[in-house]
Amino acid sequence: RKEVEQDPGPFNVPEGATVAFNCTYSNSASQSFFWYRQDCRKEPKLLMSVYSSGNEDGRFTAQLNRASQYISLLIRDSKLSDSATYLCVVRLRAGNMLTFGGGTRLMVKP
Amino acid sequence: NAGVTQTPKFRVLKTGQSMTLLCAQDMNHEYMYWYRQDPGMGLRLIHYSVGEGTTAKGEVPDGYNVSRLKKQNFLLGLESAAPSQTSVYFCASSYPGLRSQETQYFGPGTRLLVL
Repeated sequence: RKEVEQDPGPFNVPEGATVAFNCTYSNSASQSFFWYRQDCRKEPKLLMSVYSSGNEDGRFTAQLNRASQYISLLIRDSKLSDSATYLCVVRLRAGNMLTFGGGTRLMVKP
Repeated sequence: NAGVTQTPKFRVLKTGQSMTLLCAQDMNHEYMYWYRQDPGMGLRLIHYSVGEGTTAKGEVPDGYNVSRLKKQNFLLGLESAAPSQTSVYFCASSYPGLRSQETQYFGPGTRLLVL
């Protein structure tokens, strides 16, 4: 079983739609959680950290459910520029290495 | 600041050839990492370094060696390339902050094809 699992997609949505991705992680001792964004043939970049209380950054909302060991990312009012692969990332403890999910591909169509 | 840079951007090797990938960062970061990314596999950690002169194995270290002689540089070596090492290689760096939420900054990647 992979340590961090994501639906690879692709999710094809029209502009303006709301879309949600989920990610599950296997190690209950994981402490830090992130969403990274990766554009086609580019490097990953941090989109947002995920806090226990949930957090929002503009059109993006991240949620953490420790009991069920899953993380979610909600994108409202999708833009064409949101088309990318979204990577779910987990760290076991401070200073430890990151574990990446395989990514979920999002395609926003006009 | 250039951030994290990688050399070369693209390379084709024949099986058995050797090469070195160079990663450089100008952010004075202590930690540096080498990942490989394959379709459907996500990023997997090859080796990492927590400071000048130190290196450690990651998840998939076999067939690779690394060196961190200077704080700003992290080299990844392939002594005898194999087709299974065809991949996109990303270097990253981070600063170990007081909190656990430090960000990793990635280079643009090196695409390696081994024939």
